Amino acid sequence: AQKVTQAQTEISVVEKEDVTLDCVYETRDTTYYLFWYKQPPSGELVFLIRRNSFDEQNEISGRYSWNFQKSTSSFNFTITASQVVDSAVYFCALRDYNQGGKLIFGQGTELSVKP
Amino acid sequence: GAVVSQHPSWVICKSGTSVKIECRSLDFQATTMFWYRQFPKQSLMLMATSNEGSKATYEQGVEKDKFLINHASLTLSTLTVTSAHPEDSSFYICSARDRAGPRGHEQYFGPGTRLTVT
Repeated sequence: AQKVTQAQTEISVVEKEDVTLDCVYETRDTTYYLFWYKQPPSGELVFLIRRNSFDEQNEISGRYSWNFQKSTSSFNFTITASQVVDSAVYFCALRDYNQGGKLIFGQGTELSVKP
Repeated sequence: GAVVSQHPSWVICKSGTSVKIECRSLDFQATTMFWYRQFPKQSLMLMATSNEGSKATYEQGVEKDKFLINHASLTLSTLTVTSAHPEDSSFYICSARDRAGPRGHEQYFGPGTRLTVT
């Protein structure tokens, strides 16, 4: 069965610190997609990244970077020089290619960035 | 592009009444729409998958007679919470899967509907 684990329930950092959000997944399939979403207090999910299982290249987008390692089934997310506006709940999600688009979400990590 | 709307954004209803939530894909056709529920401080849990023109597929533990889903067109799916009770109070989020083109695998989320049952 597919499963996504975000072991960190809450993280609190001070502005300008770097922070890494962990994500570990389980799936038996060879083709799958991994996602990160941000959910600010308004509730609307904001798409951050999609990565397919064949692409293990790390990705950087501004202050955001992602480290995908199939060997450890992890897809970690790092925010560099965090800002107060980064405060939100972050979800990692898994989509099985053959499951018709169902997304399996992790429990979420609530990030609080203090000034 | 790829905008999904939900209406209403929030609703308060009395226990025992029914509430309908609409999910619309505004600039693309969605053969598949998903309905998620999120309780406070919890993750999103898939309730059901709806395909245009056919019956919805419900996840285990979700009462199909209580949560009625209708996907009548390629741009509209509705979720009706029948005989709502306080425990149904939650944040309901829909997503729509683009039918074709380079966005064929993408799933776009609506802004959510906050339901409070008193």
